[in-house]
Amino acid sequence: AQTVTQSQPEMSVQEAETVTLSCTYDTSESDYYLFWYKQPPSRQMILVIRQEAYKQQNATENRFSVNFQKAAKSFSLKISDSQLGDAAMYFCAYNTGTASKLTFGTGTRLQVTL
Amino acid sequence: ETGVTQSPTHLIKTRGQQVTLRCSSQSGHNTVSWYQQALGQGPQFIFQYYREEENGRGNFPPRFSGLQFPNYSSELNVNALELDDSALYLCASSLFVDTEAFFGQGTRLTVV
Repeated sequence: AQTVTQSQPEMSVQEAETVTLSCTYDTSESDYYLFWYKQPPSRQMILVIRQEAYKQQNATENRFSVNFQKAAKSFSLKISDSQLGDAAMYFCAYNTGTASKLTFGTGTRLQVTL
Repeated sequence: ETGVTQSPTHLIKTRGQQVTLRCSSQSGHNTVSWYQQALGQGPQFIFQYYREEENGRGNFPPRFSGLQFPNYSSELNVNALELDDSALYLCASSLFVDTEAFFGQGTRLTVV
């Protein structure tokens, strides 16, 4: 069974600084997708960034980028120029191509301080 | 374009009762998935419906059942509620089974 591990229950970053959230996963599949979702207090899961395993290039979305290490099964999220609105729970997630059947990690709570 | 909407937003039920949660998928989306998110945990996949048929199920007992209607909206039914069923229930819809999932704001179920 696929598993997703987030080893940082909580992280804190100062506004305008950079923070990296860690995620590792376990799978025997060769083709899959990885995601980072943000869950603010409003509870709605919002997709932050997506990475296809067959792509070697790391995905980037504005201030958000990933470091995808396929051999190490590692998928970290870097948030640059952190903003107060980035404060939320961040979940790493995995699927094998059926995008809706996601396997989630336990989440990292990100605090952004002034 | 309306997003994914869930109702109700909050619900309190007594152990042993039955509950029905509802989800309206985003316009044009034919696939709906349901997730259970216990406090302090990541969401766990319950099941998925594609064009009114169940298309995969997670590790949940049969008292968790679902339905998808011709307009692709969906219901999650839970029978014989247990205290451990207290959680946030999230619905996600996608255009097809292999495209991005869009989540609703969830239903917070409390079983007392």
